[in-house]
Amino acid sequence: KQEVTQIPAALSVPEGENLVLNCSFTDSAIYNLQWFRQDPGKGLTSLLLIQSSQREQTSGRLNASLDKSSGRSTLYIAASQPGDSATYLCAVFNAGGTSYGKLTFGQGTILTVHP
Amino acid sequence: KAGVTQTPRYLIKTRGQQVTLSCSPISGHRSVSWYQQTPGQGLQFLFEYFSETQRNKGNFPGRFSGRQFSNSRSEMNVSTLELGDSALYLCASSDIAGGPSYEQYFGPGTRLTVT
Repeated sequence: KQEVTQIPAALSVPEGENLVLNCSFTDSAIYNLQWFRQDPGKGLTSLLLIQSSQREQTSGRLNASLDKSSGRSTLYIAASQPGDSATYLCAVFNAGGTSYGKLTFGQGTILTVHP
Repeated sequence: KAGVTQTPRYLIKTRGQQVTLSCSPISGHRSVSWYQQTPGQGLQFLFEYFSETQRNKGNFPGRFSGRQFSNSRSEMNVSTLELGDSALYLCASSDIAGGPSYEQYFGPGTRLTVT
């Protein structure tokens, strides 16, 4: 059974800091990994998707890396801004027919960026 | 393209009642997945539909059911509501036919409150 863990559970930083969010998963037989952002009471916004054959993806100030063999991914946020405050969720899509349409999520990291 | 839409956005129901939630995927997407999000359990997979067929189901009681129509719109139904069913229900669509990414795009969710 796939389990996804995110560390830290919460993070509070001053504006301008570079920060790293961590995600680990127990079953390395994944098809891809997605990072999402969720604002309070809202749906999920996809930030980055990394295929299992890739090592990293970048979008603007965001960079996500994937080490499939060790079951880890990191989301790096450069020059954080107050608008980055949200919950960040990591989710994996397992390979195999029993995993149709199923993302397994971590519990999320609640990020607060102070002005 | 328009994003994933969910209706209604908010619902208040009484224990014992039933409820139907609707999800319209991104145009062209044929896979629709449903998730329940609660503060205690986080995001949990309910089921996935593709071309009107349920291909995968999470670990939820039979009170939770769903269906998909020929235009890929999907509904989920919860019968005999319990207080513990209060949650944010999210649906996501995916363009499986468009390539192997299986990236999921989420709607804004339906907030269900059971009193």
